[in-house]
Amino acid sequence: NAGVTQTPKFRILKIGQSMTLQCAQDMNHNYMYWYRQDPGMGLKLIYYSVGAGITDKGEVPNGYNVSRSTTEDFPLRLELAAPSQTSVYFCASIEGVNTEAFFGQGTRLTVV
Amino acid sequence: KNEVEQSPQNLTAQEGEFITINCSYSVGISALHWLQQHPGGGIVSLFMLSSGKKKHGRLIATINIQEKHSSLHITASHPRDSAVYICAVLPTSGTYKYIFGTGTRLKVLA
Repeated sequence: NAGVTQTPKFRILKIGQSMTLQCAQDMNHNYMYWYRQDPGMGLKLIYYSVGAGITDKGEVPNGYNVSRSTTEDFPLRLELAAPSQTSVYFCASIEGVNTEAFFGQGTRLTVV
Repeated sequence: KNEVEQSPQNLTAQEGEFITINCSYSVGISALHWLQQHPGGGIVSLFMLSSGKKKHGRLIATINIQEKHSSLHITASHPRDSAVYICAVLPTSGTYKYIFGTGTRLKVLA
């Protein structure tokens, strides 16, 4: 199993550009999450999904959008990138409530 | 007051020492996770607990559901254990959203 795969690992964006952060898992997990981690800070939930076709906002959803058309993929879209979106983004998945959590390796995004 | 509190926030130990990191929470939970993050690195799940105790190598995790408390122990600590350890709980409220502690930054000196 590859686990949770995030791409790209690094990206520099200019203010106002858009991009999609990809997240894929091959474990048939229903629950998937996008977090951001600012330097020296904890994880903040951006969006999450409890299954294909179902998504919901987390603590900090502004400036982001998600979709979940398949169980495997949970892309995060940044529209009109801003310097405040400079962060490390982590995708995670779990099979169910009492199961191990799997995290991707993270995407380090810088907006200049 | 945060719903998930970790202590200590920072910890420096000498190689070989026994280390304990604590996590207290104030909500009913379905599960508690201990995560490890090395500097500049990814996040790795160490344990998922819903009751009792688990052991993996030099790491031991315990949870007391009645007291709403969990501990992560590292025996015979090593410099490679230097990392941030994060406690995360999944509330029973049914929203499937984890609540994270602020992390414990551990440094083990050789």
